[in-house]
Amino acid sequence: GAVVSQHPSRVICKSGTSVKIECRSLDFQATTMFWYRQFPKQSLMLMATSNEGSKATYEQGVEKDKFLINHASLTLSTLTVTSAHPEDSSFYICGLGQISYNEQFFGPGTRLTVL
Amino acid sequence: AQKITQTQPGMFVQEKEAVTLDCTYDTSDPSYGLFWYKQPSSGEMIFLIYQGSYDQQNATEGRYSLNFQKARKSANLVISASQLGDSAMYFCAMREGYKLSFGAGTTVTVRA
Repeated sequence: GAVVSQHPSRVICKSGTSVKIECRSLDFQATTMFWYRQFPKQSLMLMATSNEGSKATYEQGVEKDKFLINHASLTLSTLTVTSAHPEDSSFYICGLGQISYNEQFFGPGTRLTVL
Repeated sequence: AQKITQTQPGMFVQEKEAVTLDCTYDTSDPSYGLFWYKQPSSGEMIFLIYQGSYDQQNATEGRYSLNFQKARKSANLVISASQLGDSAMYFCAMREGYKLSFGAGTTVTVRA
């Protein structure tokens, strides 16, 4: 299966700062990547679909100006949380799309804590 | 509307016993896929098993089997011979197109 990495795995930042999370597909060229957010003991919620070379598609209720997504190459998508606040503290997971119909591949996740 | 429903927030199971995790789904699309994922405390999502809407037989992968009842729109996961390492959160998910929708999850705790 595809190997997906995320960096950093854990980040702590002060309120008001911006944080960038990278998602890399190590052995597959992904035209589509997904970004999910997961609060403690809750489900994964799709935030946006990242498309290589074009604008991301955001799910309803997700602020596109706050969660900036850039998919500049077939192996890298980035999520930037701008002006982070404590309520943005969460576990962020990226996933690869369009690989196969019967499996989805996920990164190991990034745990963001905003103080 | 909730597309994937997991009604069991938490379950306890004795080691070496089997456990069934419930999942019901809602879709009007005739082509869809159903997944089960395991998420240990580390957070990584581990793929367990897949069932396609057109698959005639229930999927099996080692100790995992999926009880697919299409008319009832249910896709229950059965874990046989539970091990201590099975303690984790389990998510049922449905694919429509290339997007996945996840259920709320079930926390399984295996007791020695």
